[in-house]
Amino acid sequence: QQPVQSPQAVILREGEDAVINCSSSKALYSVHWYRQKHGEAPVFLMILLKGGEQKGHEKISASFNEKKQQSSLYLTASQLSYSGTYFCGTANAGNMLTFGGGTRLMVKP
Amino acid sequence: DAGVIQSPRHEVTEMGQEVTLRCKPISGHNSLFWYRQTMMRGLELLIYFNNNVPIDDSGMPEDRFSAKMPNASFSTLKIQPSEPRDSAVYFCASSSWNRGPYGYTFGSGTRLTVV
Repeated sequence: QQPVQSPQAVILREGEDAVINCSSSKALYSVHWYRQKHGEAPVFLMILLKGGEQKGHEKISASFNEKKQQSSLYLTASQLSYSGTYFCGTANAGNMLTFGGGTRLMVKP
Repeated sequence: DAGVIQSPRHEVTEMGQEVTLRCKPISGHNSLFWYRQTMMRGLELLIYFNNNVPIDDSGMPEDRFSAKMPNASFSTLKIQPSEPRDSAVYFCASSSWNRGPYGYTFGSGTRLTVV
């Protein structure tokens, strides 16, 4: 079953912060975050594993609440280059991801 | 590394024709995934290979779709016969597993239009 992302869209000014949420109805082993710009492929940002391990982008942070089956992506001091659609992908076991519907982020000057 | 390489980048075909999409994963990655992206359905997993073996093909829409991975450096996704509702961007992604999962690297995608 597809994870649910919120909000569906957000508009920011440069320098503002944003939080994107991802929740699943199933127990999770890992959560991935990707950013996709228009006409391009999704690009890996971060992976969070059950047990607390994280691997990924230095300037972006995320959290993973295993009990609530939720993850949040924190974008601080946003830049114009942060614009795009953010997807969370969840895996119950192994490395097979189901992606959420995406959150459109627009950063304006 | 050149990343995940997909071909063709664009494909326009007539309904009923056979379409073959190709993918070369990153060398050393042992997992390969085919996804389809549309506005209505988002990113859908079609099939997942691990060490060249199909592990999960439950996302393949119907018998018109088939996928193969004859070796670690090549995979194909075939649609025969194609239908207009197959129009989408098809992504191939590869990843590795070494005491835990790593992120996916996506190819540039194949934009398929069936008319």
